[in-house]
Amino acid sequence: SQKIEQNSEALNIQEGKTATLTCNYTNYSPAYLQWYRQDPGRGPVFLLLIRENEKEKRKERLKVTFDTTLKQSLFHITASQPADSATYLCALNPYPGSQGNLIFGKGTKLSVKP
Amino acid sequence: DAGVIQSPRHEVTEMGQEVTLRCKPISGHDYLFWYRQTMMRGLELLIYFNNNVPIDDSGMPEDRFSAKMPNASFSTLKIQPSEPRDSAVYFCASTSQGQFDGYTFGSGTRLTVV
Repeated sequence: SQKIEQNSEALNIQEGKTATLTCNYTNYSPAYLQWYRQDPGRGPVFLLLIRENEKEKRKERLKVTFDTTLKQSLFHITASQPADSATYLCALNPYPGSQGNLIFGKGTKLSVKP
Repeated sequence: DAGVIQSPRHEVTEMGQEVTLRCKPISGHDYLFWYRQTMMRGLELLIYFNNNVPIDDSGMPEDRFSAKMPNASFSTLKIQPSEPRDSAVYFCASTSQGQFDGYTFGSGTRLTVV
């Protein structure tokens, strides 16, 4: 079955810099890949979805890329702010043809220092 | 919209007792998911429903766990008997088929079995 790896458990950056988080998957390329934000004591919140035929997606200061050759998605936060500090999770469907259900990576905890 | 509503928010119970977690999905969403989150294993899918019908329960740890969805606006996850290793945060999420807007998660139930 599909496995997801997020590059590191924690990432510390300075305010104003660009944060780049990595999500790698092991087997087939999913039809779509999603990114979520989770704050302590809260449920994950959906941020962005990118489809397999899309190379890049943007939303305000967020940008997601999807490289099916590398089996990788990158999540960028530009002009980062302390309020961006949270854990970011990537998610995708676990096997070809599955609809609706997602498996999640363990997440990367981002800390943005003022 | 009040979002996905879970109750209780916190539950502390003794080993061997029955525990029932509750979830009200967003009106109009026809997929409902139960996840469990721990530090070690991250977010794990337990079971999901489509139009109130269980589709995949392969993530349910063992027979002590059961889930029901008697109607479109309510689901329960029951653990009987509970064990200390069941201690985790349990999340309910919902989404609509064909609308790739991501999942909406509830705030979770933090279960502690002592």
